[in-house]
Amino acid sequence: AQKITQTQPGMFVQEKEAVTLDCTYDTSDPSYGLFWYKQPSSGEMIFLIYQGSYDQQNATEGRYSLNFQKARKSANLVISASQLGDSAMYFCAMREPFYNQGGKLIFGQGTELSVKP
Amino acid sequence: DSGVTQTPKHLITATGQRVTLRCSPRSGDLSVYWYQQSLDQGLQFLIQYYNGEERAKGNILERFSAQQFPDLHSELNLSSLELGDSALYFCASSVGQRPQETQYFGPGTRLLVL
Repeated sequence: AQKITQTQPGMFVQEKEAVTLDCTYDTSDPSYGLFWYKQPSSGEMIFLIYQGSYDQQNATEGRYSLNFQKARKSANLVISASQLGDSAMYFCAMREPFYNQGGKLIFGQGTELSVKP
Repeated sequence: DSGVTQTPKHLITATGQRVTLRCSPRSGDLSVYWYQQSLDQGLQFLIQYYNGEERAKGNILERFSAQQFPDLHSELNLSSLELGDSALYFCASSVGQRPQETQYFGPGTRLLVL
């Protein structure tokens, strides 16, 4: 069964330091997409970064990068130079082809990141 | 701003009542997904529509129903509400259904059932 696991319920990081949020996934389908979303205390879900299962290079978007290790089925999010505004809940999600429930997203339980000044 | 709009932002109602949540997808997106976020269940997929047709159902209760209209906006109807239905309801949209396509989320509707 498809599954996303985030093993860190909460993390602290000092402002301006880098932090890695862990995510492992399980799927038997060769075609899938991996996503990270940020949910601040206001509640909205903000898309951060995407990695496709066939992508050869790790995805990067500004201060966000995805450490994609396909053989280990991991897709860790790295945030460089943390800012106070990065304090939020972070969700890892996987999307499979449409024949698996219309291409829904499966979410992990989330990691709450707190950035200390 | 993701381009996905949801109304209302907040809804307070009583048990047994019926409510309708509305979603307008991003321009050009044909696929609409509804998710429920609660403290005990996390983020759960409810139902998906593609270009007006229901394509997939997840953990959606029989008391809940949805539809997507010709202009592609979607509505989620929740009836005979119970206390446990209190949650944050998200609508998300994507161009299609491929795994490479990002789903963009609306701001959510926060439902409180008293």
